[in-house]
Amino acid sequence: EADIYQTPRYLVIGTGKKITLECSQTMGHDKMYWYQQDPGMELHLIHYSYGVNSTEKGDLSSESTVSRIRTEHFPLTLESARPSHTSQYLCASSEPPNTEAFFGQGTRLTVV
Amino acid sequence: DQQVKQNSPSLSVQEGRISILNCDYTNSMFDYFLWYKKYPAEGPTFLISISSIKDKNEDGRFTVFLNKSAKHLSLHIVPSQPGDSAVYFCAASAGGQNFVFGPGTRLSVLP
Repeated sequence: EADIYQTPRYLVIGTGKKITLECSQTMGHDKMYWYQQDPGMELHLIHYSYGVNSTEKGDLSSESTVSRIRTEHFPLTLESARPSHTSQYLCASSEPPNTEAFFGQGTRLTVV
Repeated sequence: DQQVKQNSPSLSVQEGRISILNCDYTNSMFDYFLWYKKYPAEGPTFLISISSIKDKNEDGRFTVFLNKSAKHLSLHIVPSQPGDSAVYFCAASAGGQNFVFGPGTRLSVLP
């Protein structure tokens, strides 16, 4: 049973539109992450947060932005979607220091 | 430069046999390792982990072996089942920092 939820699961949107991908977790975890994955490739960390009001950029540069106003909510926003943003976006949370990350089911984004 | 490598993009195994998935890493500071399983259009699910103070961890059909001197770990699945067919990711972290993922190995278990 998933305790971390992502919506929407699939999104097809036109170039130039603003989109927000939602991620919520009910485990009370402080640390949350956004990963981007293209087919057959590794997961790339694009954003993470240590807790409320904390946001950090990951290893892979991304034009998206994130916010963390509440512990359980970590939305990702693209102000102007482009075809190069087409990918799968995965949200995760964990309780540091050394525990596994729990992933949501992902959002498959296609920008046409 | 990839810090976590999974050099076999795919692996096919007969049902009931052992599956061995390999992972190599370059960062000697990594001290915690995990294996995830991922089905298409789903998020990764955690399988098993190992700390660098151990060389083996077992959970049911899954065993992870760690060879620190060789910077190598492996996941053994025995016996393999058709439901194990998925992409398997190796991940590592250093000192509680962010996880670094490998590119994954696609396992196909043939009935």
